[in-house]
Amino acid sequence: NAGVTQTPKFQVLKTGQSMTLQCAQDMNHEYMSWYRQDPGMGLRLIHYSVGAGITDQGEVPNGYNVSRSTTEDFPLRLLSAAPSQTSVYFCASSYAYEQYFGPGTRLTVT
Amino acid sequence: QQQVKQSPQSLIVQKGGISIINCAYENTAFDYFPWYQQFPGKGPALLIAIRPDVSEKKEGRFTISFNKSAKQFSLHIMDSQPGDSATYFCAANAGGTSYGKLTFGQGTILTVHP
Repeated sequence: NAGVTQTPKFQVLKTGQSMTLQCAQDMNHEYMSWYRQDPGMGLRLIHYSVGAGITDQGEVPNGYNVSRSTTEDFPLRLLSAAPSQTSVYFCASSYAYEQYFGPGTRLTVT
Repeated sequence: QQQVKQSPQSLIVQKGGISIINCAYENTAFDYFPWYQQFPGKGPALLIAIRPDVSEKKEGRFTISFNKSAKQFSLHIMDSQPGDSATYFCAANAGGTSYGKLTFGQGTILTVHP
């Protein structure tokens, strides 16, 4: 049981490049979420999903896209990276209240 | 908008002392209040959580105190140890279709000196 896995662990992008952050969970959780963590701001919700095929925006969705084609996977896409998207990104999943977090992806946009 | 406000930003205590971190929330629809612990380079991990129908919950050295009328809750770490040195986040959730939506406080960096 691997829990929540994220790849890659580190990534450096140039402004304007695109990429996809991968997230997978093997706990059969319906709820999955993406957060970004910035110093002094805690974790802020980007997008979340209540089940396969259903997604919604969180507090800071601009510049990010998501889709949920399976229960297990919830990728986060950056279409045109900007320096303001430099952050640590965490994926989480839950059956109900308790969310389980992945190890994070540290992204730097130059 | 910051719906959950956390203080202090940083906290230094001596080994064996009591660490206290406070949070205040605005949204009365919140009905689940967890505390997460995060070590450098790791994801947050659930430490302890409380529902608003109780005023206190204790698990080992960790206690949550909850004041519904004041819309405040706090984490108390008794007999603090150097291994408790980490960043602590309070959070809140409204449940139901909002299960995937945690609102976090800004975080507190706790340092416990030996």
